[in-house]
Amino acid sequence: AQSVSQHNHHVILSEAASLELGCNYSYGGTVNLFWYVQYPGQHLQLLLKYFSGDPLVKGIKGFEAEFIKSKFSFNLRKPSVQWSDTAEYFCAVNAQAGTALIFGKGTTLSVSS
Amino acid sequence: DGGITQSPKYLFRKEGQNVTLSCEQNLNHDAMYWYRQDPGQGLRLIYYSQIVNDFQKGDIAEGYSVSREKKESFPLTVTSAQKNPTAFYLCASSSLSAGQGNTGELFFGEGSRLTVL
Repeated sequence: AQSVSQHNHHVILSEAASLELGCNYSYGGTVNLFWYVQYPGQHLQLLLKYFSGDPLVKGIKGFEAEFIKSKFSFNLRKPSVQWSDTAEYFCAVNAQAGTALIFGKGTTLSVSS
Repeated sequence: DGGITQSPKYLFRKEGQNVTLSCEQNLNHDAMYWYRQDPGQGLRLIYYSQIVNDFQKGDIAEGYSVSREKKESFPLTVTSAQKNPTAFYLCASSSLSAGQGNTGELFFGEGSRLTVL
């Protein structure tokens, strides 16, 4: 069965610090990978996704993620965080369109100004 | 605006009562999903449906039931058999079209928060 592991439960950063959130998945075949964000009081939104091609994908709000197939990883990065990035971040995977996403347990990011 | 509407946003129920959460989408998506979100647990799949009148159990289906009588609607009933129903429930939908680059991205509603008293 597929599973997703997010390494950090809670990350606390100051504004302008760099961010990297870890995500590893377990599945032997081809996968689609996602990062979702949930801002306080808002619904889940897609940050970025990978399905094929360039393993470095860019998303909204300056976020990017790198797919490393050999490591089964899809880490999320941002060079300089802002206070408005305070949110919960979820990594997710599916094997193909139409199958349910399997989510990690999430990482809460707190950014202090 | 296209999107997913969940209602009610907040719901309180007494132990032993069934409650139904509504989910409607106007995105013309074939697939719909119900997830449960608990602090520190991420999102866990309850049920999903890829076509009208058909649905599959997810990882935590016990104590829940669903129906899919219309493409745009996928209500979730939390029954009295669900031992720990207090949670935040999220409905989502996705396209099944075979277009290039369709990864099955999920679009989410704003959620329904159920509290059992």
